[in-house]
Amino acid sequence: GAVVSQHPSWVICKSGTSVKIECRSLDFQATTMFWYRQFPKQSLMLMATSNEGSKATYEQGVEKDKFLINHASLTLSTLTVTSAHPEDSSFYICSASLGEIDEQFFGPGTRLTVL
Amino acid sequence: LAKTTQPISMDSYEGQEVNITCSHNNIATNDYITWYQQFPSQGPRFIIQGYKTKVTNEVASLFIPADRKSSTLSLPRVSLSDTAVYYCLVGDLMDTGRRALTFGSGTRLQVQP
Repeated sequence: GAVVSQHPSWVICKSGTSVKIECRSLDFQATTMFWYRQFPKQSLMLMATSNEGSKATYEQGVEKDKFLINHASLTLSTLTVTSAHPEDSSFYICSASLGEIDEQFFGPGTRLTVL
Repeated sequence: LAKTTQPISMDSYEGQEVNITCSHNNIATNDYITWYQQFPSQGPRFIIQGYKTKVTNEVASLFIPADRKSSTLSLPRVSLSDTAVYYCLVGDLMDTGRRALTFGSGTRLQVQP
C-alpha cells in the first residue's frame, strides 16, 4: 500500500515557540492531504484539508493563523503550530489521498508536547 | 452532517468472530463507508471500504444493509494483536459542496487469551 511519513515523530518544545511538522507521501502523488489532531483516548478530529497549490480549508474552530498549512507539492504538506502553548500538546496525524473521497493513507503521527 | 455511533468498547477472546456495528443514519447517497484500525500512538490503518451489500478482503468483511444507515465490520478469528481501536468513517457532503470526514467515536476492542 501507499506510504505516508511524518517528521518528526515526536517533539518537545517550550511555550511560545513554533513547531513545523512534515507529511510526505513516499510513493504516490497526493492531490489532497489532511491534518488531524487526537487527544488521549479520543477520536481523530479533522483540522484542515489541503490541496496542492491552493489554500487549506480549515474546520470550524481551528485557527488558521495558529496552524499554518502549506502544501507546496504533490508529495509534501507541512503543518506549523505557531506560538505553541501547553494546550496544543496532542498527537498530530496527517493523511494523503488522490482526492477527497478516495481512500486515505495515514502517517504514523507526531507527538507534540509543549512545556 | 452524517453522524456515526459505535459501541465504546468490546471484549472478545482469541479465535472468536467479532462484529462491530456503526450507525450512520444520515449518510449521503454517494458516500462510501470505510473502517480503520488504530494502535496506540500510531496513525490509523485502512481495513476495508464498501458502498453497499457485502465486501470481503483478507482481513475482514463489511456488511451494509440496503438502507445503508449502518454497517458492520466483521473480524474472523481475532487474535491478541487485533486489540486496537476501530473507527468507521463516512464522508459528509457539506453545504459548500466539500466533503468533510467524520470519524466515529471509535470502538476499543480488547482481545483476551
